[in-house]
Amino acid sequence: DAGITQSPRHKVTETGTPVTLRCHQTENHRYMYWYRQDPGHGLRLIHYSYGVKDTDKGEVSDGYSVSRSKTEDFLLTLESATSSQTSVYFCAISESLVYEQYFGPGTRLTVT
Amino acid sequence: GNSVTQMEGPVTLSEEAFLTINCTYTATGYPSLFWYVQYPGEGLQLLLKATKADDKGSNKGFEATYRKETTSFHLEKGSVQVSDSAVYFCALTTAGGTSYGKLTFGQGTILTVHP
Repeated sequence: DAGITQSPRHKVTETGTPVTLRCHQTENHRYMYWYRQDPGHGLRLIHYSYGVKDTDKGEVSDGYSVSRSKTEDFLLTLESATSSQTSVYFCAISESLVYEQYFGPGTRLTVT
Repeated sequence: GNSVTQMEGPVTLSEEAFLTINCTYTATGYPSLFWYVQYPGEGLQLLLKATKADDKGSNKGFEATYRKETTSFHLEKGSVQVSDSAVYFCALTTAGGTSYGKLTFGQGTILTVHP
């Protein structure tokens, strides 16, 4: 299994509070991705990174920001959580643009 | 843009039955194709892949062939087991342009196998 961990694994938070999710890899892969999974929508890309300090938006980036200060860590921040951001969040890593992506175990976030 | 269409589920089979889950795609350029599997409460695991036309990906008894002429990547298994019960996702990625290797997923197909 690829060495990817996500923390926390479960979180419940209140509307309006900031939340940061962490993805940590031990594979030294260049590319990292954040997805959210929702019933009826499958998985959708939020943000991705193609190197340290190099990030860009995905298809559902509103309300989210990311940072990557080290190769191994990719942080996803919800500046002010809303109920529509209740979801399961997955991090993924890849060596190359056309190689397979390996997924972390996910973080279940509930915003009340 | 890229898109993936999977057959709608759920699919319910008896143990040892033959499985087919259809997947068709549209893509700009030459995609790499994947099948991922998600067991309850877990993340997605790569099941198999194919990176060029006519390639056959295989793993754990599952197979899929990259058909460029029909833009398809159907998943098959000759004899399913109860332990194969999961959600299966077809996905593709293309390099270049603004895609940055973004995976485009199908909606997922729920498979339930009964003893």
